[in-house]
Amino acid sequence: QKEVEQNSGPLSVPEGAIASLNCTYSDRVSQSFFWYRQYSGKSPELIMSIYSNGDKEDGRFTAQLNKASQYVSLLIRDSQPSDSATYLCAVNIQAGTALIFGKGTTLSVSS
Amino acid sequence: DAGVTQSPTHLIKTRGQQVTLRCSPKSGHDTVSWYQQALGQGPQFIFQYYEEEERQRGNFPDRFSGHQFPNYSSELNVNALLLGDSALYLCASSLTPFINTGELFFGEGSRLTVL
Repeated sequence: QKEVEQNSGPLSVPEGAIASLNCTYSDRVSQSFFWYRQYSGKSPELIMSIYSNGDKEDGRFTAQLNKASQYVSLLIRDSQPSDSATYLCAVNIQAGTALIFGKGTTLSVSS
Repeated sequence: DAGVTQSPTHLIKTRGQQVTLRCSPKSGHDTVSWYQQALGQGPQFIFQYYEEEERQRGNFPDRFSGHQFPNYSSELNVNALLLGDSALYLCASSLTPFINTGELFFGEGSRLTVL
């Protein structure tokens, strides 16, 4: 069974702090990795994609991938209350666009 | 530029009934995927349509079926509804069937409640 694991949270951080979200996956042949943000009652929105080992930065967001450890993380710098949402980790294994999602981590940023 | 649109947004059915959900992809997209998201869970892949054919399928029973039309829009049909089918059904479209060249754009979903 191919799985993607995330801590459900809630993860609570004060405004301006760094939020660190983690994800592990079970299938070593996983190729593509994604972080989606989902506000309550809304649809998932892609915020980061990463395909190779290392770090990828986009504004306040940094995705980190370690394929040897089967681990992917998302750092959010200078967290804002508007970042409060559920963050979904998703992994693509086979050819095609089918994604396996984790259950998501709920982030709460307090002002 | 219209994004992914889904209808209806909410619906209530009873056990044993059948339901059809509709999706129009983002302009220029030819690939449509459907996901089921139960409360408190991440989305689960149901199937993907490309060139009017089912290209990939997740671990869902045959009660779940779909169709893609020549204009790339798609339908999801669920027969013999069970209480456990209550969920948010998300449609996602992409430029290509391949994840490394086609970002998934999600619609706002159809919330199905089965009583």
